Amino acid sequence: DVKVTQSSRYLVKRTGEKVFLECVQDMDHENMFWYRQDPGLGLRLIYFSYDVKMKEKGDIPEGYSVSREKKERFSLILESASTNQTSMYLCASSLGNHQETQYFGPGTRLLVL
Amino acid sequence: AQSVTQLGSHVSVSEGALVLLRCNYSSSVPPYLFWYVQYPNQGLQLLLKYTSAATLVKGINGFEAEFKKSETSFHLTKPSAHMSDAAEYFCAVNPSSASKIIFGSGTRLSIRP
Repeated sequence: DVKVTQSSRYLVKRTGEKVFLECVQDMDHENMFWYRQDPGLGLRLIYFSYDVKMKEKGDIPEGYSVSREKKERFSLILESASTNQTSMYLCASSLGNHQETQYFGPGTRLLVL
Repeated sequence: AQSVTQLGSHVSVSEGALVLLRCNYSSSVPPYLFWYVQYPNQGLQLLLKYTSAATLVKGINGFEAEFKKSETSFHLTKPSAHMSDAAEYFCAVNPSSASKIIFGSGTRLSIRP
């Protein structure tokens, strides 16, 4: 069974803290994605990676960075958390190209105080 | 530019009634189209996917969607709503394998007993 796991379901951080969100997939997928989900805005792509050590900016990369050192793991980093980064963060993975089905993790709800 | 519009951020139907969730897209080429569902406190999962093989696509849990090129629509339907269908539904479009998938803003479906 396909599985994408995220390190935390809920996280509370303070403004200015460095935050790491981890995502692991066990399907040997090439592509991995980080989205943020906000009410009325749907899913917005932050970054994606199509191979180990490769990354590309999505639609809203400002304030975020990513790391993909191993194929199964894709990390999202908030270098200095701000209150406007309070959101639900969803990780996904897929085979090959962008028209393949994406498989999502359960999400991490981040609150920045 | 490609986009996807979901009409109605919230739809409420009675149990046993027809479910109709609307999605319109804009794309310069025949796209791949997706419907994803997000149950409370979970990530998204694929309901169904249009890949140009057949205009009527059947998905999981009794849902189906019809691709209508002339109307640039891909509406999601289910003949008889069940309480377990209460969730948020996202339409998504991808015009090519090299393009990123674009998600709509979502429609929350509520089911009245």
